[in-house]
Amino acid sequence: DIQMTQSPSSLSASVGDRVTITCRASQSISSYLNWYQQKPGKAPKLLIYVASSLQSGVPSRFSGSGSGTDFTLTISSLQPEDFATYLCQQSYSTPYTFGQGTKLEIK
Amino acid sequence: EVQLVQSGAEVKKPGESLKISCKGSGYSFTNYWIGWVRQMPGKGLEWMGIIYPGDSDTRYSPSFQGQVTISADKSISTAYLQWSSLKASDTAMYYCARRFVGGTKDAFDIWGQGTMVTVSS
Repeated sequence: DIQMTQSPSSLSASVGDRVTITCRASQSISSYLNWYQQKPGKAPKLLIYVASSLQSGVPSRFSGSGSGTDFTLTISSLQPEDFATYLCQQSYSTPYTFGQGTKLEIK
Repeated sequence: EVQLVQSGAEVKKPGESLKISCKGSGYSFTNYWIGWVRQMPGKGLEWMGIIYPGDSDTRYSPSFQGQVTISADKSISTAYLQWSSLKASDTAMYYCARRFVGGTKDAFDIWGQGTMVTVSS
């Protein structure tokens, strides 16, 4: 299985901050990388697919980049509703493994 | 509206069997894979397997192969996840999700609300 490692595991930030979350794959996955947002008690929500494409309806303050083994999710200006857990997922080969998550908390 | 609606929470004893469901609506159920994802309490997401309702082609994660069975009944647009003998370690939230595959996009774009399974003696 391809291992996905996110950093940091948790992050404190303030409304208006720019934040970046990193995801690293244990082998090259080209651009087959998705990002999800999960709020407590809720199902995950797709934000970004193929590393940098924004899912319909997702605000443009979210962006993704990277290819190969290293990827980033950036939120350009944090809003109150963005405090959540963010997870990456590779869709290069089954099983489509997830990262362990990055919990974004209010400072 | 495109949606997946899962069956309700379950409380079972070790050794019991269980089948939970995921009903799709608002789209052509037979043309999209459905996946199952486990989330143990306070933990991350684990990809369990996927099924293509059109022909019941099923793929399992090696971690879940032999531990669960994924099936679908396309006549009623419903996918299932079942256990023949539950263990306490099966206690978790289980999500179904629609797999969208198109071009280079391959992601779970629609999720069910989750089914909490609690296994306790």
